[in-house]
Amino acid sequence: DAGVTQSPTHLIKTRGQQVTLRCSPKSGHDTVSWYQQALGQGPQFIFQYYEEEERQRGNFPDRFSGHQFPNYSSELNVNALLLGDSALYLCASSWDRGSGGSYNSPLHFGNGTRLTVT
Amino acid sequence: RKEVEQDPGPFNVPEGATVAFNCTYSNSASQSFFWYRQDCRKEPKLLMSVYSSGNEDGRFTAQLNRASQYISLLIRDSKLSDSATYLCVVSVKGGSNYKLTFGKGTLLTVNP
Repeated sequence: DAGVTQSPTHLIKTRGQQVTLRCSPKSGHDTVSWYQQALGQGPQFIFQYYEEEERQRGNFPDRFSGHQFPNYSSELNVNALLLGDSALYLCASSWDRGSGGSYNSPLHFGNGTRLTVT
Repeated sequence: RKEVEQDPGPFNVPEGATVAFNCTYSNSASQSFFWYRQDCRKEPKLLMSVYSSGNEDGRFTAQLNRASQYISLLIRDSKLSDSATYLCVVSVKGGSNYKLTFGKGTLLTVNP
């Protein structure tokens, strides 16, 4: 039973470029959340996708966008990269069970994508 | 005030010691509570959920005080393998949906 998988594992980009990160949720999970974790900080919530729609969003600018596909996999896109976007990007999946977003099911995280912006 | 605040740490303890982590949250409507651990350069992993009546899993005990909006994690007889960052996690309601909000984490190093 595959867990959450993310690709790529590492990425180096230049300021102003655009990047796309990918995530496949754990088998049986239908909800995908994305987090940004800067060095020495806890993960910061970016947004969550359920049924191919963005259901909840954190305090991140519109440069951060995402998508969820019918097979529940998800992408995170970041445009006009800044040096401050350098971080570990974590994808986490969970099973909403049609509960309308109540968070009683914990998150399962992927290994993350380490993005470096130079 | 931050949504979730933890002891800043780091904590350095000898093997066999008992160590306690504290966490407070600001949103009284928070619904679910968890402790995650994160090893260096790895992803966070669920350690345990926290229930209102308190719960125990082997050497680990979690407590929740809703009135004080306070969560704790106690590790007894600490092992070298317990060395990690411990993250306090709270589900916070935003609109009609919830999101999990993480504290900054507290680094624990258990020394031989």
